[in-house]
Amino acid sequence: AQSVTQPDIHITVSEGASLELRCNYSYGATPYLFWYVQSPGQGLQLLLKYFSGDTLVQGIKGFEAEFKRSQSSFNLRKPSVHWSDAAEYFCAVGFYTGTASKLTFGTGTRLQVTL
Amino acid sequence: AAGVIQSPRHLIKEKRETATLKCYPIPRHDTVYWYQQGPGQDPQFLISFYEKMQSDKGSIPDRFSAQQFSDYHSELNMSSLELGDSALYFCASSRRVAGGSYEQYFGPGTRLTVT
Repeated sequence: AQSVTQPDIHITVSEGASLELRCNYSYGATPYLFWYVQSPGQGLQLLLKYFSGDTLVQGIKGFEAEFKRSQSSFNLRKPSVHWSDAAEYFCAVGFYTGTASKLTFGTGTRLQVTL
Repeated sequence: AAGVIQSPRHLIKEKRETATLKCYPIPRHDTVYWYQQGPGQDPQFLISFYEKMQSDKGSIPDRFSAQQFSDYHSELNMSSLELGDSALYFCASSRRVAGGSYEQYFGPGTRLTVT
């Protein structure tokens, strides 16, 4: 079965500093990979996705992620964090069943931004 | 752009009562997913529907049932509610494209509180 690991439960960075959130997955085939962001009490917003092709993907809000097959990783990065980026970030693996693809999420990383 | 609509946004029920959650997918999306997110937890896949047929089933209790209607909206029916059912319930939708459906867009969620 597929699984997703986000080793960092909580990360604090200063506004303007760079950010990297780690994500490792376990899956028998090439996965579909996603990063979602969730503000408190809110829904999940899709930041970016990887299906195939270029291993460096760009997303919304200045985020990017790099797929590294050899390391089974899909780390999220942002060169300069803004205070509004404080939220919970979830990495997810999509498992396509033929008619739909359910997502398996990591446990999330809570990002705190200090001014 | 139109998003996934969920109603109600908040619901308070007592133990052993029933609840019905509704989801209206993004127009032209043909697949609906339901997820449950407990306090401080990552979202867990419950069930999905493609073209009104159940396509996959996750950790959904037997007390829960769901269906997708001809207009593609979906309802999650929950009976004999337990305190442990208190959670945020998300609906997501996607549109099947050539090779499979990938991107899931989430609604704002329904917060169910069982007392």
